[in-house]
Formats: sequence, C-alpha cells, structure tokens
Amino acid sequence: GDSVTQMEGPVTLSEEAFLTINCTYTATGYPSLFWYVQYPGEGLQLLLKATKADDKGSNKGFEATYRKETTSFHLEKGSVQVSDSAVYFCALFGGGSNYKLTFGKGTLLTVNP
Amino acid sequence: EADIYQTPRYLVIGTGKKITLECSQTMGHDKMYWYQQDPGMELHLIHYSYGVNSTEKGDLSSESTVSRIRTEHFPLTLESARPSHTSQYLCASSEGYADTQYFGPGTRLTVL
Repeated sequence: GDSVTQMEGPVTLSEEAFLTINCTYTATGYPSLFWYVQYPGEGLQLLLKATKADDKGSNKGFEATYRKETTSFHLEKGSVQVSDSAVYFCALFGGGSNYKLTFGKGTLLTVNP
Repeated sequence: EADIYQTPRYLVIGTGKKITLECSQTMGHDKMYWYQQDPGMELHLIHYSYGVNSTEKGDLSSESTVSRIRTEHFPLTLESARPSHTSQYLCASSEGYADTQYFGPGTRLTVL
C-alpha cells in the first residue's frame, strides 16, 4: 500500500536559517504529493502541492520538487521565520488508494528568534 | 479562506456520556472526512463520506459513528465516552478525492 516517510522531529532552528524537511514515499502508480502545515491550535492547511514528476510546488517561500526517480518531495525554505513554527505533514494521494490522503507522521518545527 | 467549522472547540466530559461533535462546510463539497490526531501529532482517518447517505469506516477502528444526511453536515457521535477517546478530532472536506482537503480547527476532547 501507499506510505509516506518524513523526517522525525522536532527540528529547532534559529531565525533566517535554511530549512529542509525530508519526505519520501511509496506508491503504486503516479500519486499527487502535498505538504500541509498545522499552526498551534489550528487544523491543517495546504502549503503546496505537485501533481506530476518534476513539478515544483511553492508557497510563502517554501518549495518542494516532485522527484520520481528518488520518490521524494523534500520541503525547503531559504530563511525561516518565527512565524513558521508549526507541524508540517507530507502527504500523497493516488496510486493504490482511491479515496484518501496518506499522511506522514508530521515534523514539529520550532524557530527561535 | 476555507469555510469549514467545528463545534465545540474544546470539550471536557465524564465517562459514559453521549457526545456529538459537529462539522459543517459551506463549500458544497461531496467528500468529507474525520481524523483523530494523537498527542504525537499523527493523523488517523476514522470515517469518510462520498456524499449524502454514504459513510465508510477509515483506517483506524473507532467506536464513534457518523451520519451524512445533508451535504454540508457531517457529525460524529460517541454513544458512551471513555478516557481512551481523549484526543483531537479534525474534520475535513474536499471537492474530489485528489483535491485539496480543507480542515476545520478541530475539537479537543477530554474524557475524565
């Protein structure tokens, strides 16, 4: 079945540091890939997505590229802010699943001033 | 801005009580979902719905039940709450399965 493995946290960075959160996936077929973010006390919201190989999703300074050859969708940001402190979830839709998103376990990011 | 609402936001109740967690969306989405989020942040799909009068169980076995009588409304009910039900419950909706899921703010349930 489909699965998503993402970097375990917590991750603690100083403001303006470079961020990478690794995400790899297993899927039968050609999944769509997502990053969701959950700010404290809130539900999840879509951060970015990519629907086919080599697509790059981007939003709010975050980027991720759909790499079929390495089955990866790593999240990056060049300069994090305190307001980026949140839990980040990698997810996929498609392949063996026809009705649901498959989520990774989440990575807690804390950015200190 | 997504329009999906959950009430209550926080609920503390005693063991054995019956509770209903409300979820409503105004986007006209056919697909709706309930997730349970454990303290380690991991999300578990417990119920989903294709549309009115359709409900299915998700990946994680749950003692809760759901109903979908109207497109916009997808309530979750626990007939007899237990401390093991203490968790955060998140509702979501999407236009299609492959589309973006929009999440409500969640209900944090504590059963004493």
